[in-house]
Amino acid sequence: AQSVTQLGSHVSVSEGALVLLRCNYSSSVPPYLFWYVQYPNQGLQLLLKYTTGATLVKGINGFEAEFKKSETSFHLTKPSAHMSDAAEYFCAVSDRGSGNTPLVFGKGTRLSVIA
Amino acid sequence: GAGVSQSPRYKVAKRGQDVALRCDPISGHVSLFWYQQALGQGPEFLTYFQNEAQLDKSGLPSDRFFAERPEGSVSTLKIQRTQQEDSAVYLCASSLVTGEQYFGPGTRLTVT
Repeated sequence: AQSVTQLGSHVSVSEGALVLLRCNYSSSVPPYLFWYVQYPNQGLQLLLKYTTGATLVKGINGFEAEFKKSETSFHLTKPSAHMSDAAEYFCAVSDRGSGNTPLVFGKGTRLSVIA
Repeated sequence: GAGVSQSPRYKVAKRGQDVALRCDPISGHVSLFWYQQALGQGPEFLTYFQNEAQLDKSGLPSDRFFAERPEGSVSTLKIQRTQQEDSAVYLCASSLVTGEQYFGPGTRLTVT
């Protein structure tokens, strides 16, 4: 069975600083990997996804993530944090070789941005 | 176009009551998923439909939970004899066969 571990339930950065949210996964087959963002009282919005091909994936709002198979990691980064980035971020994995299967989510990391 | 919609957005039920949560997927989306998100946790899979067929219900926590999608479009998640541990946000997502999942805003269920 797959699992996702997000290190740090809460990360706080200053506005303009680097954002790094960590995600490690376990999967017995080549994974599909996702990052979602959730704003208060809203559903999840897809930031980016890795399926196959290029391991550095660029998403919306300036975020990117790198798939590192040797480290079983898919960390999310953004060079310069903005106040509007404050939200809950979830890493997820799909294990059945297709993006259209149930997702297994991590517990989430709450990002705070300090002015 | 319209996204995934869910109703009601908030539901308060007394313990023991039955509730029904509705999901309207994006038009033309074949697949529909239900997830449960407890406070401070990530979403957890409940069940999955492809058109009207329920292909996976392994995540339903008990036989009090039942989901249907009779015409392959709108889906209803029903919880019978609600318990306090059922309090959570219930998220619905839809997708094309090969596409990403689009999530609705969720229904926050509080059982008192």
